Amino acid sequence: EAQVTQNPRYLITVTGKKLTVTCSQNMNHEYMSWYRQDPGLGLRQIYYSMNVEVTDKGDVPEGYKVSRKEKRNFPLILESPSPNQTSLYFCASRTFGGSGSSYNEQFFGPGTRLTVL
Amino acid sequence: AQSVSQHNHHVILSEAASLELGCNYSYGGTVNLFWYVQYPGQHLQLLLKYFSGDPLVKGIKGFEAEFIKSKFSFNLRKPSVQWSDTAEYFCAVVGSAGNKLTFGGGTRVLVKP
Repeated sequence: EAQVTQNPRYLITVTGKKLTVTCSQNMNHEYMSWYRQDPGLGLRQIYYSMNVEVTDKGDVPEGYKVSRKEKRNFPLILESPSPNQTSLYFCASRTFGGSGSSYNEQFFGPGTRLTVL
Repeated sequence: AQSVSQHNHHVILSEAASLELGCNYSYGGTVNLFWYVQYPGQHLQLLLKYFSGDPLVKGIKGFEAEFIKSKFSFNLRKPSVQWSDTAEYFCAVVGSAGNKLTFGGGTRVLVKP
């Protein structure tokens, strides 16, 4: 089954304790991205990656890091989490380039609800 | 920079009522437009999309949207809602370069049985 998976689904942590949220897709998509969802603000892009070893900042990258060592994985790293990073996080992937009606459609993971105390 | 605005943050209606959610975007070039739905506790799912051609797009679950280029709008409609349509709805746009999907703030829809 084609899917984007994230782990963990729920996480409660304390300020300053490094954490990693994993993301993996099995669709051979080039493009992957991370979003955070906050009430009234919709989804805002944190980082994206157009391919292996190619990453770039989105709209709200402060306090986050990412890496793309393999095509299927795109972990989100919070080196020193703070309470303002309490949010719902979504990983997404899609094809990049090509043509047809599937171009640009993003597939989303199930979300990770993070609470930083 | 592209942006998307959704006019209503919350909508409450009864079953069988008609639904229309507004979406306006700002972007100077050719756009691709999407509506996503997020049911309670679930991830985002694509409802429908517009790339080109007929500006009236039909999606899943009886939803449709109309692209009006002159108004920079892509409003979502459903003639008769059901309780199961209770969800949050997001409009999104990506420019022709295709690098970044920008979301609106979302509209929470509550359908009362």
